[in-house]
Amino acid sequence: GQSLEQPSEVTAVEGAIVQINCTYQTSGFYGLSWYQQHDGGAPTFLSYNALDGLEETGRFSSFLSRSDSYGYLLLQELQMKDSASYFCAVRDISDYKLSFGAGTTVTVRA
Amino acid sequence: NAGVTQTPKFQVLKTGQSMTLQCAQDMNHEYMSWYRQDPGMGLRLIHYSVGAGITDQGEVPNGYNVSRSTTEDFPLRLLSAAPSQTSVYFCASSPPSGRNEQFFGPGTRLTVL
Repeated sequence: GQSLEQPSEVTAVEGAIVQINCTYQTSGFYGLSWYQQHDGGAPTFLSYNALDGLEETGRFSSFLSRSDSYGYLLLQELQMKDSASYFCAVRDISDYKLSFGAGTTVTVRA
Repeated sequence: NAGVTQTPKFQVLKTGQSMTLQCAQDMNHEYMSWYRQDPGMGLRLIHYSVGAGITDQGEVPNGYNVSRSTTEDFPLRLLSAAPSQTSVYFCASSPPSGRNEQFFGPGTRLTVL
């Protein structure tokens, strides 16, 4: 099975940088992915790390370290529209189940 | 492409009633899944399917049934609704790649009285 932990809330001001950590316990997985969900909406895919290292997509970056069972999502140049919940997720290598963390609510203040 | 569609968007049931939440995708994705989302608890996997004719249980399967007779459709049946099943239900699909990129439907908001 999978177990993922991430902080419940983060607050920051516009223009700041926020890092959301995700630690996991798993017997084997394909990679770490991140999803964004605005209030009342559906989750949308943000990024995926199959290998260790940093992946950059515009203002967002994601990092994975398999040896440390740890990853993070980095949100740079925060904007008000980045206020949302962010979920990390892993897909089990044995049964293909995709498991999510409980989510981190990011609040961006002016 | 319509992507992943879910019906209905809102539903109110009485305890003991049964109903089916519909989910369809037009992307020819093999993997489909159902999640429920409760406040502060993230997304919990109910059932999933890796292809037509194949389904398996997720983290919280009790009280729900699924079937996958076609690649496109993956309905979720509530057998006898209970107040504990009040939640937002999301259906999702993904191609058989390792990217973990799931496409979610808009959700069904279910209230059981």
